Amino acid sequence: GDSVTQMEGPVTLSEEAFLTINCTYTATGYPSLFWYVQYPGEGLQLLLKATKADDKGSNKGFEATYRKETTSFHLEKGSVQVSDSAVYFCALNQETGANNLFFGTGTRLTVIP
Amino acid sequence: GAGVSQSPSNKVTEKGKDVELRCDPISGHTALYWYRQSLGQGLEFLIYFQGNSAPDKSGLPSDRFSAERTGGSVSTLTIQRTQQEDSAVYLCASSSLAGIQYFGAGTRLSVL
Repeated sequence: GDSVTQMEGPVTLSEEAFLTINCTYTATGYPSLFWYVQYPGEGLQLLLKATKADDKGSNKGFEATYRKETTSFHLEKGSVQVSDSAVYFCALNQETGANNLFFGTGTRLTVIP
Repeated sequence: GAGVSQSPSNKVTEKGKDVELRCDPISGHTALYWYRQSLGQGLEFLIYFQGNSAPDKSGLPSDRFSAERTGGSVSTLTIQRTQQEDSAVYLCASSSLAGIQYFGAGTRLSVL
């Protein structure tokens, strides 16, 4: 079945450090890929998405590229800020049938000044 | 409203009691989803409603769980005879057909 494997945390970085959170997936067909973010005390928010191979999703300085050959969708940011502290979830869906999202287990990021 | 609204935000109940969780989706969204976020389990899909079609219940963990969606809008997730392992954050999301899913803030359920 479809699944997402995500880098375990927690991850602690200093402000302005480079961030990578690894995400790989197993799926039939051509899923869409997402990164969602959950800030402290808030609900899940879509951070970025990519719907086909080689697409790059980007938002708020974060980027992720849909790599079909490695079945990966790693999240990167060149210079993190304290305000990026949150839990990040990689997810996929097939946009057919139930269209439900399959999530990774989440990676907690803490950025220290 | 502007976003997906869930109530209550927190619910504490005793083992064996029934609970109802409510979700108000974004106006005009035809699809509605329930997920569960548990410690150690991540986010699990529970049930999906699309328009007037029969719901996809494939993620419900047991027959103690049920959900309905009245008039294609508000949804209620019911857990009967709650158990301690039901303690989790229950998240609702809505979307337009095959669109981005927007999540509510969730209901934190604690079963004592």
